[in-house]
Amino acid sequence: DIQMTQSPSSLSASVGDRVAITCRASQSISTYLNWYQQKPGKAPKLLIYAASSLQSGVPSRFSGSGSGTDFTLTISSLQPEDFAIYYCQQSYSIPRTFGQGTRLEIK
Amino acid sequence: QVQLQESGPGLVKPSETLSLTCTVSGGSISSYYWSWIRQPPGKGLEWIGYIYDTGSTDYNPSLKSRVTISVDTSKNQFSLKLSSVTAADTAVYYCARWWDYGDRKWFDPWGQGTLVTVSS
Repeated sequence: DIQMTQSPSSLSASVGDRVAITCRASQSISTYLNWYQQKPGKAPKLLIYAASSLQSGVPSRFSGSGSGTDFTLTISSLQPEDFAIYYCQQSYSIPRTFGQGTRLEIK
Repeated sequence: QVQLQESGPGLVKPSETLSLTCTVSGGSISSYYWSWIRQPPGKGLEWIGYIYDTGSTDYNPSLKSRVTISVDTSKNQFSLKLSSVTAADTAVYYCARWWDYGDRKWFDPWGQGTLVTVSS
C-alpha cells in the first residue's frame, strides 16, 4: 500500500494568512494526488485533482502543486469558511489511500 | 447535478453483516465507478472498494474477505455488505462516485454519510 503522510497534523492561522499543507507519498505517484476539505459533520469535498487542477466551483485562493512524492496545498488568503480538516489522497494504485488529515484552526 | 444518499440500519450486532444502499439521483449510474469509503469517529478516511456499472469490482485488500459491493442499474443504486463486523467497523460510511479519466481520478460527489454502530 502507498502511505500518505501529511504535515503538519494541525495548524493554527488567522484570517488573511497564507498557509501551506504538505503531503508525502511513500513512493512516486506522479501527479495522481487529490485534495479534499472536510467540515464538521459533513462529507469531504473535492478541492484539487491531479495535483494541481482546481475543481469547478472551488475558489481560486486554493492551489495545489507537486509531483512524484511531495505535494503541497496552498491557501493564499484564509477565509473564515476555510477552517476545516484537509486530506490528501493518492489515485495511483489500489488500495486508494488517504493522508491522516490536517486540522486547520483559527488562531 | 448528481446526488448520492446512503441508507441502512444504524446499529448492527457484532458478528452480523452490515448492509447499506446508496441511491443515485440526478443522473445515471451507468458508465461510472461507484465507491464506498468509511471514517471511524474522530479518525481518517478508509477506502473500502468500488464497482463499475457492469459489476466489475475492486476492493481494499484489508477488507476484501468480508466485503461485497453490488449494483442495481434498474434502481440506480449500489450496495455494500460487510460481514462478521466488530466494534472496529463502527464508522460513518460514505458512498461516492469515482471518476476515472486515465491520469485523472478522484472521488466526487459524496453522499452525506451514515453512521453505523456495531454493538450488542
